[in-house]
Amino acid sequence: EIVLTQSPATLSLSPGERATLSCRASQSRASTYLAWYQQKPGQAPRLLIYVISDAFNRATGIPDRFSGSRSGTDFTLTISRLEPEDFAVYYCQRYGVFGQGTKVEI
Amino acid sequence: EVKLVESGGALVQPGGSLRLSCVASGFDFSTYWASWVRQAPGKGLEWVANIDQDGSRTFHVDSVEGRFTISRDNAKNSLFLQMNSLRAEDTAVYFCAREIPGGASSFDYWGQGTLVTVSS
Repeated sequence: EIVLTQSPATLSLSPGERATLSCRASQSRASTYLAWYQQKPGQAPRLLIYVISDAFNRATGIPDRFSGSRSGTDFTLTISRLEPEDFAVYYCQRYGVFGQGTKVEI
Repeated sequence: EVKLVESGGALVQPGGSLRLSCVASGFDFSTYWASWVRQAPGKGLEWVANIDQDGSRTFHVDSVEGRFTISRDNAKNSLFLQMNSLRAEDTAVYFCAREIPGGASSFDYWGQGTLVTVSS
């Protein structure tokens, strides 16, 4: 069973700062799939980044301050300069399994 | 515009049943896998079940296996979740979601969710 461990649980930053969110997968697979979502209170999750066979893709309408990377079983979501609307909870997901989330707060 | 609209959530007693529906529009529903994902109050996301394009393959998370059944009606652009033997721990907002083709169960569009509350 795949387990995704996100860190940190909470990230306290200011607008304009850089955010680095981590997601570690318990298993390595030959083909790489992962997705990152943003969720604000009372809203459905929104797809930000998805990875198919090692190719990182931003979802439609997602600004380029959001980017993703991978090193082995460690995946990173980077928000280059936080905008006020970026303060939310972020989830990674792989093969239907979700991480526990990282809250980015002001 | 891609839209997914869920309905059917309600307050139900433990042991009861409920059927959730999700109507899709703005894309060819019959060519996509679809899923149900839930979120208990104040908690994270949990994938519940998914179904392939023609309904011939379905998968359910262990915690709902034998109690919940996912199905679809492509003629009506609709996705369903039949929930039986409901428990308090099934209380959650239930989202339907479209799967990215070849994306290993990642979701590019979500509905707004429907609340299921299991309580006496």
